[in-house]
Amino acid sequence: DAKTTQPNSMESNEEEPVHLPCNHSTISGTDYIHWYRQLPSQGPEYVIHGLTSNVNNRMASLAIAEDRKSSTLILHRATLRDAAVYYCILGDMEYGNKLVFGAGTILRVKS
Amino acid sequence: DSGVTQTPKHLITATGQRVTLRCSPRSGDLSVYWYQQSLDQGLQFLIQYYNGEERAKGNILERFSAQQFPDLHSELNLSSLELGDSALYFCASSVGDRDNNEQFFGPGTRLTVL
Repeated sequence: DAKTTQPNSMESNEEEPVHLPCNHSTISGTDYIHWYRQLPSQGPEYVIHGLTSNVNNRMASLAIAEDRKSSTLILHRATLRDAAVYYCILGDMEYGNKLVFGAGTILRVKS
Repeated sequence: DSGVTQTPKHLITATGQRVTLRCSPRSGDLSVYWYQQSLDQGLQFLIQYYNGEERAKGNILERFSAQQFPDLHSELNLSSLELGDSALYFCASSVGDRDNNEQFFGPGTRLTVL
């Protein structure tokens, strides 16, 4: 499985943008980049995914480097509800659609 | 609410016993996945079914088995339970089995083995 590297934790102020980085230097050409998050006491929740181009949805934006070896999840205005563990995951098409979770980044949001 | 339901919410049992966890996917989703989350191992993929057929297998122990029924609900059977099997078990579902399919997770079943 291709691996990702994320900071253990990050802190943000409420109402400010948050940039969560992810390195995936061994990504293959067909691997999708997925972001999920897990709020306290809940199951993981899909945030966004992309292949080559930057992506936007109602929750966040995903900026993908031109060489695809890194990506950044952008929360445009952090709220207290965004405090969660954020996982950057590379898709594994060869073996179905399993998600291989790493340790993720713990995001703390201060009011 | 993701639309994925899991029962029971909590389960307390003894070592050596057998339990069955149940998952109902979102309406229209053909793929079901099982994940285990423990404090020391984090979130780990166990197994995936697509339209009744096993599609991918992760680090699932031989004591564990799963199946997906014709109505697409799935069951995860855990037998000869050990203390180390205590964990949160999540079920997820997706429309298909492609890499770009979003997975929707249920609320989980918390298993405690005493």
